[in-house]
Amino acid sequence: KQEVTQIPAALSVPEGENLVLNCSFTDSAIYNLQWFRQDPGKGLTSLLLIQSSQREQTSGRLNASLDKSSGRSTLYIAASQPGDSATYLCAVGSGGYQKVTFGTGTKLQVIP
Amino acid sequence: SQTIHQWPATLVQPVGSPLSLECTVEGTSNPNLYWYRQAAGRGLQLLFYSVGIGQISSEVPQNLSASRPQDRQFILSSKKLLLSDSGFYLCARAKIGSTNEQFFGPGTRLTVL
Repeated sequence: KQEVTQIPAALSVPEGENLVLNCSFTDSAIYNLQWFRQDPGKGLTSLLLIQSSQREQTSGRLNASLDKSSGRSTLYIAASQPGDSATYLCAVGSGGYQKVTFGTGTKLQVIP
Repeated sequence: SQTIHQWPATLVQPVGSPLSLECTVEGTSNPNLYWYRQAAGRGLQLLFYSVGIGQISSEVPQNLSASRPQDRQFILSSKKLLLSDSGFYLCARAKIGSTNEQFFGPGTRLTVL
């Protein structure tokens, strides 16, 4: 059974700082890994998707890496802004029928 | 555009009452559809997924059921709600054969009193 862990559970940083969010998974037989953002009371917004054959993906100030062999992914946010404050969720696609297992998320607060 | 609609946005129901949450998808055909629940302080739990009309797979034994009467419609139901059914219900879709990237609807906040 796939298990996904995100550390830290919460993070508070001053505006402008670069930061890294961590995601680990127990079963390396994945077909993709996806990072989401969730604002309070809202649905999930897809940020980046990394296929199992890829090592990283970039979108603007965001960079996600994937190391399947060690069961880890990181989300790097450069020059953080108050608007980046949200909960960030990691989700791993594995098993049949494109099932996805989510981590419990990292709640990020960027202080102006 | 490929849009996911969820109805209603919020719902307050008494224990023992029935439930029907609707998810409709625009702009894509034959998507995989998913129901997730996000309880307070917990991660997203996959409840049901569907790869086609009338095809439902359940991930967790529970008080809920799902149906897919049309290609782009996914319904979550209960005959009698429990207090533990409270949570944020999210519908998602993924397109078979592509990147399998998941996209989410806006969610339904259910409070059972």
